[in-house]
Amino acid sequence: DQQVKQNSPSLSVQEGRISILNCDYTNSMFDYFLWYKKYPAEGPTFLISISSIKDKNEDGRFTVFLNKSAKHLSLHIVPSQPGDSAVYFCAASASQAGTALIFGKGTTLSVSS
Amino acid sequence: DGGITQSPKYLFRKEGQNVTLSCEQNLNHDAMYWYRQDPGQGLRLIYYSQIVNDFQKGDIAEGYSVSREKKESFPLTVTSAQKNPTAFYLCASSHTGTPKLFFGSGTQLSVL
Repeated sequence: DQQVKQNSPSLSVQEGRISILNCDYTNSMFDYFLWYKKYPAEGPTFLISISSIKDKNEDGRFTVFLNKSAKHLSLHIVPSQPGDSAVYFCAASASQAGTALIFGKGTTLSVSS
Repeated sequence: DGGITQSPKYLFRKEGQNVTLSCEQNLNHDAMYWYRQDPGQGLRLIYYSQIVNDFQKGDIAEGYSVSREKKESFPLTVTSAQKNPTAFYLCASSHTGTPKLFFGSGTQLSVL
């Protein structure tokens, strides 16, 4: 059973507009969440993260929101740029379990100019 | 430059053959990981190691083996028991106790 779900396989946005990528999780032990960006045939690169003690974390154009009661997080990219076109993976960690990151299936973002 | 090096970039396996994917890091990280990416499947954990000479199975360990004889190295062997080995393989590392992973550039394995 998937513990981290990204229900939208793809998202298309115009340059300059907001991109919102969503992620849901089922395991209440998860206490740290990360977003990774991945280009084809390359390794994922870290984008932004959030601890469960926060509900928002911001880094430049990227903001992650966490709603613990809904077990939902989202990544906002404002303004979107063509270079943001990539696959975005949501990942979660349960620090007490000491296990590796659990990833969602990813959302492919396409930003058109 | 510090980082994670995976080799080769592309690898072909014949039926019944074992192949080994290399992963080396110079980040002084204690923990290392192997993930597999299939189209539309995201990243699935194969094996991970939090310390030298110790490793744990991930969600899809069957048909794979690993070793961790040195802190810097975590090779993955895809054995003939792995019936569907075609995938993009990613190695990662992190400091123990921190969830942020650093990834290599990956190895694409295909079956001839």
